[in-house]
Amino acid sequence: DIQMTQSPSSLSASVGDRVTITCQASQDISNYLNWYQQKPGKAPKLLIYDASNLETGVPSRFSGSGSGTDFTFTISSLQPEDIATYYCQQYDNLPTFGGGTKVEIK
Amino acid sequence: EVQLVESGGGLVQPGGSLRLSCAASGFTFSSYEMNWVRQAPGKGLEWVSYISSSGSTIYYADSVKGRFTISRDNAKNSLYLQMNSLRAEDTAVYYCARDLNTVTTSPDAFDIWGQGTMVTVSS
Repeated sequence: DIQMTQSPSSLSASVGDRVTITCQASQDISNYLNWYQQKPGKAPKLLIYDASNLETGVPSRFSGSGSGTDFTFTISSLQPEDIATYYCQQYDNLPTFGGGTKVEIK
Repeated sequence: EVQLVESGGGLVQPGGSLRLSCAASGFTFSSYEMNWVRQAPGKGLEWVSYISSSGSTIYYADSVKGRFTISRDNAKNSLYLQMNSLRAEDTAVYYCARDLNTVTTSPDAFDIWGQGTMVTVSS
């Protein structure tokens, strides 16, 4: 199995701050990497697919980059509605998810 | 409206069985590959199983292989997960999720999710 190491596991930031989450794969996964947002009690929502493609309807303050083993997810200006847990997911092999990053407002 | 609605969850004893269903609407179900993803209470996401649009290609996570069976009925716009020999560690919310791409025969990104159905395995 491909292991996905996501960091940090949690963070606290102010409204308007730039927030960055990283995800590292245990082997080269090219750009087969997706990012999801999950709010409490809700199903996950796809934000970014294929490392850097914004899903339809997702605000442009969300972005993703990277290839190979190292990937980055960025919220350019944190908004109150962005409070959630974010997960990366690889699909180079059978899918595996990162452990999640809980984002809170400072 | 594109929608997935899961049902069939509940409380079951260890070693027991349960069949989950996922009803699809608002899109051409027969064109899309489908998945089951689960989330144990307070934990992260775990992919469980995948089925191609025709049902001819199926994959399972090692944790459920030999115990769970995924299937679909395109005439009924429905996805299923038959779960046998259930264990306490199978306790989770189970989501059905649609694959973003229709041209592959393997799981990729999950663009539509149901609301989930809770499965509790306990004596």
